[in-house]
Amino acid sequence: GDSVTQMEGPVTLSEEACLTINCTYTATGYPSLFWYVQYPGEGLQLLLKATKADDKGSNKGFEATYRKETTSFHLEKGSVQVSDSAVYFCALSRNTDKLIFGTGTRLQVFP
Amino acid sequence: DVKVTQSSRYLVKRTGEKVFLECVQDMDHENMFWYRQDPGLGLRLIYFSYDVKMKEKGDIPEGYSVSREKKERFSLILESASTNQTSMYLCASSPSGTGGQSLHFGNGTRLTVT
Repeated sequence: GDSVTQMEGPVTLSEEACLTINCTYTATGYPSLFWYVQYPGEGLQLLLKATKADDKGSNKGFEATYRKETTSFHLEKGSVQVSDSAVYFCALSRNTDKLIFGTGTRLQVFP
Repeated sequence: DVKVTQSSRYLVKRTGEKVFLECVQDMDHENMFWYRQDPGLGLRLIYFSYDVKMKEKGDIPEGYSVSREKKERFSLILESASTNQTSMYLCASSPSGTGGQSLHFGNGTRLTVT
């Protein structure tokens, strides 16, 4: 069945460091791909999305490119801030309203 | 702004109790979801409702039931709570046909079963 695999955390970085969180997926056809973020004490919220191959989603300085050939959707940011500390979830949907989530990756950014 | 409200932030219940988790959304969304969030397991779908009185099992429905009598309210019921149901429960809603692009979450209910 469809699935999403994320790198395990926590990822610990100093402020202004570069971030990459790896995400790969298994699905037939062309799923839509998402990154959701969960700040401490809150529910998840959509960070960015891509709906077809080679699309790049971006928001708040974060980017991810839908790579069909490597079935990947890695999350990147050039310079992280303390306020980016959160749990990040990669997810996919395949022509339904239901999402399949990865296990989440905790990011901790220190000043 | 869409608001999904879960009635309790923290809940402590005893083994064998019947537990109700309530969720209300204010944007007239057709779809509502209950997820369970556990460390190392991510979010797993318990139940999904795409209309009033309609429900569909998710990946882990065992030990749970749901009720959707009104469009804005989706309740998760633990008929006889067990310690392995200690977890964070997240409710979400979305408009129909948006394919996961407009999913809005509540802040979660942390349930402890002792």
